[in-house]
Amino acid sequence: GENVEQHPSTLSVQEGDSAVIKCTYSDSASNYFPWYKQELGKRPQLIIDIRSNVGEKKDQRIAVTLNKTAKHFSLHITETQPEDSAVYFCAAPRRTYKYIFGTGTRLKVLA
Amino acid sequence: DTEVTQTPKHLVMGMTNKKSLKCEQHMGHRAMYWYKQKAKKPPELMFVYSYEKLSINESVPSRFSPECPNSSLLNLHLHALQPEDSALYLCASSQPGLAGPRAPGVSTDTQYFGPGTRLTVL
Repeated sequence: GENVEQHPSTLSVQEGDSAVIKCTYSDSASNYFPWYKQELGKRPQLIIDIRSNVGEKKDQRIAVTLNKTAKHFSLHITETQPEDSAVYFCAAPRRTYKYIFGTGTRLKVLA
Repeated sequence: DTEVTQTPKHLVMGMTNKKSLKCEQHMGHRAMYWYKQKAKKPPELMFVYSYEKLSINESVPSRFSPECPNSSLLNLHLHALQPEDSALYLCASSQPGLAGPRAPGVSTDTQYFGPGTRLTVL
């Protein structure tokens, strides 16, 4: 079915700690997995993505890991800062041009 | 230019009004999307145009009518909306893969979102 599960729905961490958000998808044909950050009242912004020919990708404090066998991928944010507070969405393609979004994770970084 | 722009930013309309939302991109992308996003929910796909042709209509009510006048512009015409249609309407664009408009299987192209139009239907 068309399903991307995302956990947790809310996450509170102390500034400087790490945050991990996990998504599980169902379509084994999916081969591209973006992560979006959406601040209140703003547009979803792509922060990192991964394609199925790699298992991990890193960009400064942000990394994404992919396990194609288990059909899950995770967002890792290290040394969190207050400005990382936002809602994060994962997505996975269901078919051409159609992406299914996860239900979102509200991250709060406590100063 | 890596931006998708949308106008207006905010729109308040009555149930008998006719209005239009506009979206523009100058990245040369050949796929454009309309999403609807309710508060605390993920974006929900409404329509996709690829190479100026309607590719996907996610069973959207006919009171929403999309239009793609050219490869840079996407409109959403609104008529006789209901209060439950109040939401953030997001436009997005992407560049389809090398296989072109008839690429099989699933997508691998990155979508870039506009800032959205906050719509309130009274």
